[in-house]
Amino acid sequence: GDSVTQMEGPVTLSEEAFLTINCTYTATGYPSLFWYVQYPGEGLQLLLKATKADDKGSNKGFEATYRKETTSFHLEKGSVQVSDSAVYFCALILTGGGNKLTFGTGTQLKVEL
Amino acid sequence: DAGVIQSPRHEVTEMGQEVTLRCKPISGHNSLFWYRQTMMRGLELLIYFNNNVPIDDSGMPEDRFSAKMPNASFSTLKIQPSEPRDSAVYFCASSFVASSYEQYFGPGTRLTVT
Repeated sequence: GDSVTQMEGPVTLSEEAFLTINCTYTATGYPSLFWYVQYPGEGLQLLLKATKADDKGSNKGFEATYRKETTSFHLEKGSVQVSDSAVYFCALILTGGGNKLTFGTGTQLKVEL
Repeated sequence: DAGVIQSPRHEVTEMGQEVTLRCKPISGHNSLFWYRQTMMRGLELLIYFNNNVPIDDSGMPEDRFSAKMPNASFSTLKIQPSEPRDSAVYFCASSFVASSYEQYFGPGTRLTVT
């Protein structure tokens, strides 16, 4: 079945450090890929998305590129801030397969001063 | 837009009691999702509706759980009877099918069953 695998957390970084959170997927069709972020005590929010191979999603300094050849969608940010501390979820939806999201397990990011 | 609205935000109840969680999706959205989040199991999809019709309820844990969507602007998730292992944060999300499938989440209901 379809699945998303994320690196385990927590990831702890100093402010202004470079961030990478790995995400790989398995899908039977052609998925759209998403990163959602959950701040403490809140629901998930869409951070960025990519709908086809080689697309780059970007938002708030975060980027992720849809790599079909490696079935990956790694999240990156050049310089993290304390306010980026949250849980990050990678997710996919199959195109034409309904609108059910398949989520990864989430990766907690802690950014310290 | 007010976003997805959930009530109550917090619920504490005793084992055996009935619990009803409520959700108002974003106006114009035609898909609605109920999720449960726990430390042990992460984020789980319980059930989702398209145009008020349940499409996939395979994630509903057992018969104690039921969900309804009587109209496009309201849904309920009911647990009867509740058990301590039902303690979790329950999220409702909505989306507009054919619009990139982006889901908008509510703030969640934190349920504690003692």
